[in-house]
Amino acid sequence: AQKITQTQPGMFVQEKEAVTLDCTYDTSDPSYGLFWYKQPSSGEMIFLIYQGSYDQQNATEGRYSLNFQKARKSANLVISASQLGDSAMYFCAMSPGGGRRALTFGSGTRLQVQP
Amino acid sequence: SQTIHQWPATLVQPVGSPLSLECTVEGTSNPNLYWYRQAAGRGLQLLFYSVGIGQISSEVPQNLSASRPQDRQFILSSKKLLLSDSGFYLCAWTPWGLYEQYFGPGTRLTVT
Repeated sequence: AQKITQTQPGMFVQEKEAVTLDCTYDTSDPSYGLFWYKQPSSGEMIFLIYQGSYDQQNATEGRYSLNFQKARKSANLVISASQLGDSAMYFCAMSPGGGRRALTFGSGTRLQVQP
Repeated sequence: SQTIHQWPATLVQPVGSPLSLECTVEGTSNPNLYWYRQAAGRGLQLLFYSVGIGQISSEVPQNLSASRPQDRQFILSSKKLLLSDSGFYLCAWTPWGLYEQYFGPGTRLTVT
């Protein structure tokens, strides 16, 4: 069984500052994929970034980077230069076998960016 | 381009009534398809996933069922809705060669 833990129910950050959203996971699968999604108040789920368990380098997508520490089983999302439009719920998720299978989601972190 | 559609966007149904939610994907073939449910203020829970026509895997035993009558169509159904079926239902798909899932706009279901 897989489990995702997000311990920060809510976070505040000032506009233009960086913020780290925490995610830890537990799995017995030797291969897995880690994902971050953003859910604005409209409800849509927006894919942000993917990290494979065998990837040597941390994934980056624009202002998003995934700080992957395999030994600590953590996959934190770092958002640089926060913008007001970044205010949303953020979900960490994982999938066995590197991906392409069903996702297990964490409970989410609500990020509020303040001007 | 590849897009995913869901309808209806919102639905209010009485307890005991049937349910049919539809999801279609355009611009691809043989996608993996998924149904998730999100209760208010919670994360997403996988309900069903399908790797091909007629191939459905159920993750949560309950009064919901899913079908995949065509390659790019995924339907979520119930014969008799319960109050606990209220929630936000999201369909998702995985493009060939990629790992991430892309979600539809969702259906907000309220059972009264």
